[in-house]
Amino acid sequence: SQKIEQNSEALNIQEGKTATLTCNYTNYSPAYLQWYRQDPGRGPVFLLLIRENEKEKRKERLKVTFDTTLKQSLFHITASQPADSATYLCALVLPYGGSQGNLIFGKGTKLSVKP
Amino acid sequence: DADVTQTPRNRITKTGKRIMLECSQTKGHDRMYWYRQDPGLGLRLIYYSFDVKDINKGEISDGYSVSRQAQAKFSLSLESAIPNQTALYFCATSDGRVGWTDTQYFGPGTRLTVL
Repeated sequence: SQKIEQNSEALNIQEGKTATLTCNYTNYSPAYLQWYRQDPGRGPVFLLLIRENEKEKRKERLKVTFDTTLKQSLFHITASQPADSATYLCALVLPYGGSQGNLIFGKGTKLSVKP
Repeated sequence: DADVTQTPRNRITKTGKRIMLECSQTKGHDRMYWYRQDPGLGLRLIYYSFDVKDINKGEISDGYSVSRQAQAKFSLSLESAIPNQTALYFCATSDGRVGWTDTQYFGPGTRLTVL
């Protein structure tokens, strides 16, 4: 079955540094990957989507890369701020059968940005 | 007002009781989902519905049932609650017409405790 792994459960960095979060998957390559942010006690919120034919996607201080050879996506937050502290979830799409369009979520990486 | 609402937000119940969690959305989306989130296990799909007449089991449907009363309403029931169903439950919606680039919109969650 398809598996998705986010390598770090927690990542602590200093304010102003770049945070890099990793998402790896097994088996087939998804058509696209999504990244979500989740604050404590709240539902996940969509941040970025990247398609398999895109190498990189940017949105303000956020950047996502997608390497189908390595079966890996990297999520970067540049000039990180304490307000960026949250759990970040990687999700990939199931492209086959009746569940087409459904997402499989990683367990998330909890980012803490210290002032 | 929030686009995806869940009631109740918190619930404590006893083993063997029947519980219903409700979800309503004003986004006009066809697709609705129920997930549970447990520490260390991430988000797992319980049931999903692509329209009012199309309901499907997800990864962990045993012990749960659902009802799609209308496009905007999707309820999750625990017929006889057990302690290992203690978790944070999320409802989500997606457009469905966008295809594989669908993003999901989550409700605020229901924290359920089964004693």
